[in-house]
Amino acid sequence: DAGITQSPRHKVTETGTPVTLRCHQTENHRYMYWYRQDPGHGLRLIHYSYGVKDTDKGEVSDGYSVSRSKTEDFLLTLESATSSQTSVYFCAITSSANTGELFFGEGSRLTVL
Amino acid sequence: ELKVEQNPLFLSMQEGKNYTIYCNYSTTSDRLYWYRQDPGKSLESLFVLLSNGAVKQEGRLMASLDTKARLSTLHITAAVHDLSATYFCAAHGSSNTGKLIFGQGTTLQVKP
Repeated sequence: DAGITQSPRHKVTETGTPVTLRCHQTENHRYMYWYRQDPGHGLRLIHYSYGVKDTDKGEVSDGYSVSRSKTEDFLLTLESATSSQTSVYFCAITSSANTGELFFGEGSRLTVL
Repeated sequence: ELKVEQNPLFLSMQEGKNYTIYCNYSTTSDRLYWYRQDPGKSLESLFVLLSNGAVKQEGRLMASLDTKARLSTLHITAAVHDLSATYFCAAHGSSNTGKLIFGQGTTLQVKP
């Protein structure tokens, strides 16, 4: 158990509404990541964090923002959700073994109507 | 910019047969990862390949890495139904940030 929890696990919302997904870790890892998974695209990196208040963009960051005010929480915000953001979102942390291996949360399925 | 491509994207095979999934990546990466995902579930780490020539085996799955060819393979020996899943490979986009770039995934269906 990598000690990652995501919330909510499922959410249905309407176009134009704000949405925040939360990733919580219990193991004090420095690096945290948000990916989205869509059929035919594998997983694509949205944003990542390398410490409190330190974040950077990934491959598909447009329309998303993140915040990390404490080590254990990494928040992903869709300021104004669009149907193209319907996806499954995964949070990940790096393993403590320093191999670069990522461990993933259970995922958050977001549907934007 | 690192790109990772897998083939095939879908594989239907009979139990007992052997097959290989290929993972090509476009720029230098010293590490390669394989993950498994069951429908509706999260990703589970299968193999971490940390150097050229690395080979790892677990049960009926064997992964290898050739950094000169920028190629990793996942070989399935005598497939069984329980191996039906989607398999992803991933390479390091930047080793000092830890971010991984994933292939599109290969969906494996093993039929009795």
